[in-house]
Amino acid sequence: QITLKESGPTLVKPTQTLTLTCTFSGFSLSTSGVGVGWIRQPPGKALEWLALIYWNDDKRYSPSLKSRLTITKDTSKNQVVLTMTNMDPVDTATYYCAHSLRQYPDYWGQGTLVTVSS
Amino acid sequence: DIQMTQSPSTLSASVGDRVTITCRASQSISSWLAWYQQKPGKAPKLLIYKASSLESGVPSRFSGSGSGTEFTLTISSLQPDDFATYYCQQYNSYRWTFGQGTKVEIK
Repeated sequence: QITLKESGPTLVKPTQTLTLTCTFSGFSLSTSGVGVGWIRQPPGKALEWLALIYWNDDKRYSPSLKSRLTITKDTSKNQVVLTMTNMDPVDTATYYCAHSLRQYPDYWGQGTLVTVSS
Repeated sequence: DIQMTQSPSTLSASVGDRVTITCRASQSISSWLAWYQQKPGKAPKLLIYKASSLESGVPSRFSGSGSGTEFTLTISSLQPDDFATYYCQQYNSYRWTFGQGTKVEIK
């Protein structure tokens, strides 16, 4: 049974760096073809893809946010970490992590709401 | 970047109606397209992958079609549980893009 759960701060100040952790079970990020991605959704708005990391440490980023994002994995801890620098109120959103085996996200975490406010 | 455009943005329908949502890609993505259903406060749920393959456990009233740049999601007979927002997503070339969503409302 594949499960994922996001964790991190619920409130960050503008200009701060956000660090989110996705802790998963039921699969290994060392298995060929497996990936974990991050997606966000501002309140009342659409889903937006942020970043992806694959079993072979290949990393992909949204072109519009690439300069602010870093994704890493810790295979031994079954965790993927996303950092986003220079946070702004427009970055207020629910942040999801998701498992991918055949290139699309099939299992999603419950999401974590991050509010950016001073 | 590959852009995904869904239409309509909102759709009003009644239980039992046949519903069709369209998704267009800004360039060819072959069949690398998925559809998701999202209800308020919940994570998206995978319905369709590879444009027309039904995810296990998803009712057969959901179907997908298309290839290249134009795709459709069809609900053959809308049920009360189907009122939600639907998103298309392309996964060509190891990057993802989502459409802006289609909200299916009760008429």
